[in-house]
Amino acid sequence: QITLKESGPTLVKPTQTLTLTCTFSGFSLTTSGVGVGWIRQPPGKALEWLALIYWNDDKHYSPSLKSRLTITKDTSKNQVVLTMTNMDPVDTATYYCAHRLVNMGDVFDIWGQGTMVTVSS
Amino acid sequence: DIQMTQSPSTLSASVGDRVTITCRASQSISSWLAWYQQKPGKAPKLLIYKASTLESGVPSRFSGSGSGTEFTLTISSLQPDDFATYYCQHYSSQAVTFGPGTTVDIK
Repeated sequence: QITLKESGPTLVKPTQTLTLTCTFSGFSLTTSGVGVGWIRQPPGKALEWLALIYWNDDKHYSPSLKSRLTITKDTSKNQVVLTMTNMDPVDTATYYCAHRLVNMGDVFDIWGQGTMVTVSS
Repeated sequence: DIQMTQSPSTLSASVGDRVTITCRASQSISSWLAWYQQKPGKAPKLLIYKASTLESGVPSRFSGSGSGTEFTLTISSLQPDDFATYYCQHYSSQAVTFGPGTTVDIK
């Protein structure tokens, strides 16, 4: 059974760097075709894809946020970490990590519960 | 960048209705389209990928069609559990884009 869980601060100040961790089980990020993505959702708004990391350490980022994002993996801990620099109140959102449906393209079949991050001074 | 639009933004329907949601891409995306259902306070749930492939465990009243720039999600007979927001998602080798969502509420 695949599960994912996001963790990190619930409150960050403007200009700070956000670090979120996705801890997963039921699959390995060393297996061909596997990937983990990050998606966020501001309150009452639509989903926005942020980044994706693959089993081979390839990484893709949202073009609009690429300069602020870094995604990494720690296969020994079954974790994926997303950092976002220079946080702003508009970055207030629920942040989800999700498992990529293997060999079917960048489709997310299993999602974490999400973690709410508020950006405020 | 490819932009995704959905129509309508809100749809009011009754149990038993046939419901159709449209998703359009700003340029051809072949069949690289997925649909998700999201309920308030919950993570999205994958319904359909590659435009028309039903995800395992999803009821057969859900179906997807289309290719190129226009796609549809159809619910053949709306059930009480189906009142939710639906998102389309384009996926390519380099990027992922979600549509703005369509909320299906009770008439």
